[in-house]
Amino acid sequence: AQKVTQAQTEISVVEKEDVTLDCVYETRDTTYYLFWYKQPPSGELVFLIRRNSFDEQNEISGRYSWNFQKSTSSFNFTITASQVVDSAVYFCALSGYTNAGKSTFGDGTTLTVKP
Amino acid sequence: DSGVTQTPKHLITATGQRVTLRCSPRSGDLSVYWYQQSLDQGLQFLIQYYNGEERAKGNILERFSAQQFPDLHSELNLSSLELGDSALYFCASSPDREGSREQYFGPGTRLTVT
Repeated sequence: AQKVTQAQTEISVVEKEDVTLDCVYETRDTTYYLFWYKQPPSGELVFLIRRNSFDEQNEISGRYSWNFQKSTSSFNFTITASQVVDSAVYFCALSGYTNAGKSTFGDGTTLTVKP
Repeated sequence: DSGVTQTPKHLITATGQRVTLRCSPRSGDLSVYWYQQSLDQGLQFLIQYYNGEERAKGNILERFSAQQFPDLHSELNLSSLELGDSALYFCASSPDREGSREQYFGPGTRLTVT
């Protein structure tokens, strides 16, 4: 069985602070995918990133960066110099390598960025 | 705008009833996914269709069914509705069969069962 744990239910920061959202996963699969999604207050879901289990290179996209560590089964997400528009619920998800559409989601972390 | 459309936006119905949610994928996308988001269960994958065929199945109740039509739009049918079925139902689409590529989400249908 697959499991995704986002231990931080809510995080509140002040604008321009850096913030890291934690994601820990459990799977018996040797190959798998990890994802992050954003759900802003407007409610729509937005895909942020996909990571293959065999690619442990960290990724940076603007102010966003992701740290994948297979040894600790973690796929953490860092926002640098946070902005009010980053306020949202962020979900981490895990799927097998085959049937990658069948994802298991964490409970989400609500990030509030105050001006 | 993701290019994925869902209708209706809101739906209020009574227990025991049946409803149909509709999703039109982005132009060119062959895969459609359905998700349920509720306070109790969180965000859950329900089912994926690829080019008309069921591709992957998640935590979808037997009272629920889905299909994808030749024009690639999809419908999610929910029957014998219970209070616990109240949720936000998202549809997403992607071009690939495997489901590993970026998914584009519709705005969701908010279902309220009274």
